[in-house]
Amino acid sequence: DTEVTQTPKHLVMGMTNKKSLKCEQHMGHRAMYWYKQKAKKPPELMFVYSYEKLSINESVPSRFSPECPNSSLLNLHLHALQPEDSALYLCASSQDRGQRDEKLFFGSGTQLSVL
Amino acid sequence: AQKVTQAQTEISVVEKEDVTLDCVYETRDTTYYLFWYKQPPSGELVFLIRRNSFDEQNEISGRYSWNFQKSTSSFNFTITASQVVDSAVYFCALNDYKLSFGAGTTVTVRA
Repeated sequence: DTEVTQTPKHLVMGMTNKKSLKCEQHMGHRAMYWYKQKAKKPPELMFVYSYEKLSINESVPSRFSPECPNSSLLNLHLHALQPEDSALYLCASSQDRGQRDEKLFFGSGTQLSVL
Repeated sequence: AQKVTQAQTEISVVEKEDVTLDCVYETRDTTYYLFWYKQPPSGELVFLIRRNSFDEQNEISGRYSWNFQKSTSSFNFTITASQVVDSAVYFCALNDYKLSFGAGTTVTVRA
C-alpha cells in the first residue's frame, strides 16, 4: 500500500468550479511535490515544497494554487480550469529536497476531468 | 533536448518470457543518479532502483536486473520470467540537477 494518500481519486468539475486536491504523508518527509500526467506521457513537475515553503514553481498557470499547511499535508486548489487541464495529478514526497539521490514516493493520484 | 530516451513505446510478451527495457540518457554532469519507476494501472509510481554515476555494478533483485553502462550512457532493465503482474508502464529517470523522466515503456504480459 502506498504511504502517500491522495483524495479524491476521481474528480469531475466545470470550468467555473473551485475544487481542491489533497495529499497526505506520514513518513516524516520534508519535501512534497505535485506532478501532472497526461495519458501516455511521463509525469511533469508542477510544484515542490521543501520544509513547508514553495521552492519550485514550474511556471504553472495561476489557476493552480498549491498550499502546504504543514509538513504532512499538501493541497492543490483549482479554479477556472480548462478542459486541457484534465489529467492525472500525482502527489509525491521525499525525505529532503535538493539531494539528487532522493527517491520519490508517489500517491495513486487524482484523475481530474474538466468539462 | 531529450535527456532520457526510452525508444520502446510498447512491449508485449507471453508470461515467462524475458523482457528488456532500454534507457539511454544524456548529461554533462559527472555526478548524477538514474532511476527506474513502475506505474501499474492503479496509478502510483513505484520506485524500483537507484544507481549513481560512480557505481557501474550491475544489480539483481529477484526477477529484476539492471545493466548500467556509462560508456554507452545506458541503464537497461530486464524482467526475467515475466508475470502478468509485471504489466505496467516503466519509466527511466535521470537526476543531474533536476529529475527528468523518459517517455515510458508500456509492458503487457499475456497469460
